[in-house]
Amino acid sequence: EIILTQSPATLSVSPGERATLSCRASRNVSNNLAWYQQKPGRPPRLLISAASTRATGIPARFSGSGSETEFTLTISGLQSDDSAVYYCQQYNYWPPNTFGQGTALEIK
Amino acid sequence: EVQLVESGGGLVQPGGSLRVSCAVSGFSFSNYWMSWVRQAPGKGLEWVANIKEDGSENYYADSVRGRFTISRDNAKNSLFLQMNSLRVEDTALYYCARGGGSSWSPGHFDYWGQGTLVTVSS
Repeated sequence: EIILTQSPATLSVSPGERATLSCRASRNVSNNLAWYQQKPGRPPRLLISAASTRATGIPARFSGSGSETEFTLTISGLQSDDSAVYYCQQYNYWPPNTFGQGTALEIK
Repeated sequence: EVQLVESGGGLVQPGGSLRVSCAVSGFSFSNYWMSWVRQAPGKGLEWVANIKEDGSENYYADSVRGRFTISRDNAKNSLFLQMNSLRVEDTALYYCARGGGSSWSPGHFDYWGQGTLVTVSS
């Protein structure tokens, strides 16, 4: 089973600044990695697939990068609405379709 | 507009059974892998099961294999999860999700329902 480790667990960033979230895979998952945003009381929303492809309607402020075992989600020009928990998920080796434990982003 | 609407959640005693459903609209259901993903209160996301477009293949998390059964009715645009021998640790919000991958893999999950809450408690 692939283990995804996200860091940091929590992140506090000021509005307008940039947030960098990390996801590390225990094995090479190529570029088969997705990122999701989940706000309280809401279902997850797909942000990024194939490590760097933004989903429909996702603003360019959200960008994904990386391959193999190291991946990054970067959110620039942070807005208060970006407060959420962000999850990565790999789909190279499945089942299981594993998720990371999440990074909670706070806009202070 | 793509919509996924779960139903059927509720309170059940340990050892009991429950069947949750997901009604979909806005896309050709029979062309997509579908999945169930759950989230225990205050916890992260846990994948539960996948089913291929035609129902010919299904896969389960170790934590539910042998107890849960995923199925679909393509004529009725519906996805199901039959849950037997329920445990307290199965308490969670159960989401149905559409697979965004190819015909050989569900890939990522591009659309999600709002979830249905299953509570297992005596």
